[in-house]
Amino acid sequence: AQTVTQSQPEMSVQEAETVTLSCTYDTSESDYYLFWYKQPPSRQMILVIRQEAYKQQNATENRFSVNFQKAAKSFSLKISDSQLGDAAMYFCAYRSARGGGSNYKLTFGKGTLLTVNP
Amino acid sequence: DADVTQTPRNRITKTGKRIMLECSQTKGHDRMYWYRQDPGLGLRLIYYSFDVKDINKGEISDGYSVSRQAQAKFSLSLESAIPNQTALYFCATSDLGGRFYNEQFFGPGTRLTVL
Repeated sequence: AQTVTQSQPEMSVQEAETVTLSCTYDTSESDYYLFWYKQPPSRQMILVIRQEAYKQQNATENRFSVNFQKAAKSFSLKISDSQLGDAAMYFCAYRSARGGGSNYKLTFGKGTLLTVNP
Repeated sequence: DADVTQTPRNRITKTGKRIMLECSQTKGHDRMYWYRQDPGLGLRLIYYSFDVKDINKGEISDGYSVSRQAQAKFSLSLESAIPNQTALYFCATSDLGGRFYNEQFFGPGTRLTVL
């Protein structure tokens, strides 16, 4: 079974600074997807960024980028120019790329609560 | 209008009561999921459905049941609620398509408190 570990329960960053959230995962598969979801106080789960394991290039979405290290099974999220609206719980998630059964489910880490200080 | 809706948004009930949480979607997706979120534990899968006739247990299905009334509707029931089921519940949907259509879209969540 796959597991996802977020070792930082809480992080804080100053507005306009850069912060990196860590995520490691354990899997025996070679083809999979990794995600970062944001959950603000509104509770809504919002997809921030996605990475396909077969792609070597790190995904980027505006101020959000990832550092995907497949051999090390590491998938960190970097937020540049942090804004007050970035304050939220961030979840790392894994999904198998194999079809069928429960492979379509997302396996989540326990989350990192990010505080942005003005 | 939201693509994935959940009712109710908040519910307080008593131990032993039967509770139904409802999820509706207008995205036209085939796959629907129910997750439970507990503080410090992330989200865990309760049940998932690939179509109206295909319902499967997730990792924490004990104490829960589901009904897929239509492609767009997926309900979660707690037959006899217990305080341990106090949590935030999310419904999600995803497309049946190829490898690029794998994003799960989440509803706004239902906060359930069992006294």
